Amino acid sequence: NAGVTQTPKFRILKIGQSMTLQCTQDMNHNYMYWYRQDPGMGLKLIYYSVGAGITDKGEVPNGYNVSRSTTEDFPLRLELAAPSQTSVYFCASRGHRGRQETQYFGPGTRLLVL
Amino acid sequence: DQQVKQNSPSLSVQEGRISILNCDYTNSMFDYFLWYKKYPAEGPTFLISISSIKDKNEDGRFTVFLNKSAKHLSLHIVPSQPGDSAVYFCAASAGTNAGKSTFGDGTTLTVKP
Repeated sequence: NAGVTQTPKFRILKIGQSMTLQCTQDMNHNYMYWYRQDPGMGLKLIYYSVGAGITDKGEVPNGYNVSRSTTEDFPLRLELAAPSQTSVYFCASRGHRGRQETQYFGPGTRLLVL
Repeated sequence: DQQVKQNSPSLSVQEGRISILNCDYTNSMFDYFLWYKKYPAEGPTFLISISSIKDKNEDGRFTVFLNKSAKHLSLHIVPSQPGDSAVYFCAASAGTNAGKSTFGDGTTLTVKP
């Protein structure tokens, strides 16, 4: 299993541009999540999905959109990029390790908005 | 208002000694707590979790203690190894749902050989 994969690894955007961050998992997990991590801070939830066709807002959804057409894919869309969206973005899916419920994270996408 | 706090930004310990990382929370609805480890340029990886019905959970060198009355949890690593050097995040959620977690800001652990 590849687990959770994210593309691209790094991207520079100009203010006002848009882009889609890709996320794919091969563990057949229903729940998937997008977080952002700003320097020196913890992760903040942007959006999450409980299954194909169902998404909901997290703590910091403004400026982002998501869709979930398949179990495997959960792309995050940035419209009209702003410098405040400079961050590292992590995608995750919910599963178990043994009897412990946990999240499996992708390697992250580092985004710089100039 | 930060609901999960890790008050020590950094911790340095000698190899072979115990590392103790602390976490405090304010939301009494939290009933599931997780610790993650994160290396630079990688995503967080799960270490250990604890449900509020327990006060201790062990997994190899890692033990998590939960004090519900104090709204405090701690992660003990014994013995500490140089490979344990990383950022450690405490996370909390309501309803045994590892997702929709609220994260602390992390503690950077350095284990010196």
